[in-house]
Amino acid sequence: QKEVEQNSGPLSVPEGAIASLNCTYSDRGSQSFFWYRQYSGKSPELIMSIYSNGDKEDGRFTAQLNKASQYVSLLIRDSQPSDSATYLCAGEGGSNYQLIWGAGTKLIIKP
Amino acid sequence: DTEVTQTPKHLVMGMTNKKSLKCEQHMGHRAMYWYKQKAKKPPELMFVYSYEKLSINESVPSRFSPECPNSSLLNLHLHALQPEDSALYLCASSQTGTGKTEAFFGQGTRLTVV
Repeated sequence: QKEVEQNSGPLSVPEGAIASLNCTYSDRGSQSFFWYRQYSGKSPELIMSIYSNGDKEDGRFTAQLNKASQYVSLLIRDSQPSDSATYLCAGEGGSNYQLIWGAGTKLIIKP
Repeated sequence: DTEVTQTPKHLVMGMTNKKSLKCEQHMGHRAMYWYKQKAKKPPELMFVYSYEKLSINESVPSRFSPECPNSSLLNLHLHALQPEDSALYLCASSQTGTGKTEAFFGQGTRLTVV
């Protein structure tokens, strides 16, 4: 069974520091990974997609993919209280339409 | 524009009621999804439509009935639901044929079954 695993947290980070969120996946064939941010009571919002080994940067966010070690990470630089949310990691499933979801990590940025 | 619009935002229904959830996107996406999300859990895939045809049905009970009238619209018809069906129902859309599953979600419908 294909799995994506995340530590559910909560992960507490001081304001202005780097928040590091990680997930691991079981299916070596997975090519695409996604990070979604979800505020309490709201819907998931796509913040990063990564398809190849290495780093991808977008503003304060950096996604990292290491296929050899089967892990994906999300770094948030200069963390702000508004970054406090649950971050969901998802990997490509068995078809173009299926995503395998991690349980989500709750991130708390402390002022 | 990465907007998926869902209506209503909130819905309370009795177990004998029939109601429908609606979803609309104008991004030209040809795949549309219904997900169910319970508190503190990740989204759970229910249905996928690709080019207006039902592509995936994740063994969802027949009291949930999806419909895709055209490439921009997706409905979820609800009938004889149970209290345990109370959840956040999410619509999403994505491109097709790209090998990517970059899905964009609507704001969701908070459903309460009483």
